[in-house]
Amino acid sequence: NAGVTQTPKFRILKIGQSMTLQCTQDMNHNYMYWYRQDPGMGLKLIYYSVGAGITDKGEVPNGYNVSRSTTEDFPLRLELAAPSQTSVYFCASTRQGEPQHFGDGTRLSIL
Amino acid sequence: AQKITQTQPGMFVQEKEAVTLDCTYDTSDPSYGLFWYKQPSSGEMIFLIYQGSYDQQNATEGRYSLNFQKARKSANLVISASQLGDSAMYFCAMREGLGNQFYFGTGTSLTVIP
Repeated sequence: NAGVTQTPKFRILKIGQSMTLQCTQDMNHNYMYWYRQDPGMGLKLIYYSVGAGITDKGEVPNGYNVSRSTTEDFPLRLELAAPSQTSVYFCASTRQGEPQHFGDGTRLSIL
Repeated sequence: AQKITQTQPGMFVQEKEAVTLDCTYDTSDPSYGLFWYKQPSSGEMIFLIYQGSYDQQNATEGRYSLNFQKARKSANLVISASQLGDSAMYFCAMREGLGNQFYFGTGTSLTVIP
């Protein structure tokens, strides 16, 4: 099984550009999450979803948007990239009572 | 207040020795789950071990065990017989009741010395 798949793995953006980080899972999990991890730090929750059509803000949602049109996919959108958004982004999924399964991360640099 | 606190930014352990990584948590919900993840230098997050608040026994998974002290609200990870490949960041996390969010600590960097 592929588990949680994130694309791209690496990306460099210019300030003001936009992009979408893709996340898909094949485990039929209803819960999905986006985190960012700054160098030497822990994970901060950006957005999460408890099912298709339902999303909610986490700790650091500003500058990001999400959608959940299917159970499998949970893309994260950056509309106007800023240097402060340089980070590693992790997508995760789970179901009730289980640990989160993480993707391999997307390393994003904004210059 | 922080939901998860990891007070050891960095730890060193001699190869083949045991090491304990500390984690304390804060919740008033009687039902919760505690998780430990390993993040090697390659960056991926690897699930190690889980402890439910109602579990009677401490969780064990191979060389990993969780020293769960409910009254003290601590869930320390014990790694026995450390190996060089254990060098990584370790994160403690909690999920409260039927809540949707996981709360992560700031992590502990473990270095295993040959």
